[in-house]
Amino acid sequence: EAQVTQNPRYLITVTGKKLTVTCSQNMNHEYMSWYRQDPGLGLRQIYYSMNVEVTDKGDVPEGYKVSRKEKRNFPLILESPSPNQTSLYFCASSPIGYTENTEAFFGQGTRLTVV
Amino acid sequence: DQQVKQNSPSLSVQEGRISILNCDYTNSMFDYFLWYKKYPAEGPTFLISISSIKDKNEDGRFTVFLNKSAKHLSLHIVPSQPGDSAVYFCAASSGGTSYGKLTFGQGTILTVHP
Repeated sequence: EAQVTQNPRYLITVTGKKLTVTCSQNMNHEYMSWYRQDPGLGLRQIYYSMNVEVTDKGDVPEGYKVSRKEKRNFPLILESPSPNQTSLYFCASSPIGYTENTEAFFGQGTRLTVV
Repeated sequence: DQQVKQNSPSLSVQEGRISILNCDYTNSMFDYFLWYKKYPAEGPTFLISISSIKDKNEDGRFTVFLNKSAKHLSLHIVPSQPGDSAVYFCAASSGGTSYGKLTFGQGTILTVHP
């Protein structure tokens, strides 16, 4: 079964305490990305990766880091979380480029609260 | 700069009737469009897509229409069912260095009443 798995599902942390949200996909996709969903703003891309060791900034990268050491894994790192990073986060994977009926697969989401 | 806009935050329809969700975009480089459905506490799931070389794509109860000149797409659900109640996002993709990236609208909450 095609799957994107992210953990944890829920996380409450304090300002400044480093955290990592893991993401793994089983579809051998080259392209992986992280999005955050905020009310009234839809999903916005944080970082993306087109292949192993190839990562780049999305639309809202400030305060985040990523790494892509293996094709299947794409962790999101918040080195010093702040309250404005309280949000719902989604990891996604897809082939590079979209053709008819191609889709991006999303994980179930991580609800992060920074106090 | 919101390149993909869903101007209706919510839509309420009666079971059995048609639901029409709208989406506008500004970037003429977008060449592939997708609709996702999202239930609470779940990730977005793919519903239907359309390439810019087409103006209509149909899959069962779901039809997406694309009007390139107006930079407008719509999702029609006929007949609507209570299980269709969810948040619907439209998303767009372009080629070049943005390969793989999806730009999303704000979402529309659809409520289908029995």
